[in-house]
Amino acid sequence: DVKVTQSSRYLVKRTGEKVFLECVQDMDHENMFWYRQDPGLGLRLIYFSYDVKMKEKGDIPEGYSVSREKKERFSLILESASTNQTSMYLCASKYPGQGLTEAFFGQGTRLTVV
Amino acid sequence: GDSVTQMEGPVTLSEEAFLTINCTYTATGYPSLFWYVQYPGEGLQLLLKATKADDKGSNKGFEATYRKETTSFHLEKGSVQVSDSAVYFCALKGPGANNLFFGTGTRLTVIP
Repeated sequence: DVKVTQSSRYLVKRTGEKVFLECVQDMDHENMFWYRQDPGLGLRLIYFSYDVKMKEKGDIPEGYSVSREKKERFSLILESASTNQTSMYLCASKYPGQGLTEAFFGQGTRLTVV
Repeated sequence: GDSVTQMEGPVTLSEEAFLTINCTYTATGYPSLFWYVQYPGEGLQLLLKATKADDKGSNKGFEATYRKETTSFHLEKGSVQVSDSAVYFCALKGPGANNLFFGTGTRLTVIP
């Protein structure tokens, strides 16, 4: 079974803190993604990485950065956390390219910024 | 650009009722279509999928047919159970694309 593991289920951070959300997958997937999930807005793509050290901005990259130094690990960084970044964060991974390639998701990290 | 429009929720049904959750899409070419399910406190799991027109995806009693002419991929189940209570997301992946586009999600609650 594919496993995508996010380092924390719940996090509480203070405004202005630098926050790291970690995601690890064990299936040698090239593509990895960070989404945030908010009520009424569904899933919105923050960043994705199509291979090691490669990244592209998604729909809402402002206030976030990412790091992909190893294939299995994709980190989301909140440079200076703000209350409007309180959300559920979901990591996903998949094989790239053509054909039917489903994405596998982690269990999510619920971040609260106070 | 590619997008998915999904039926607004929440939806509340009695056990054994018929379920339909509507999903329509906008995409260039022939996307792949998915339904994901999120049970309380968990991440998303793939429920079913279809890659080309008239394909029917099915799993756990749920079905959805890829309709190119109406650009739709509606989710149906003949008889829902309490254990089907979850949030359902319609999604698409464009041909050659790597990322998925998701609908806003529909929360289903099934009452005994």
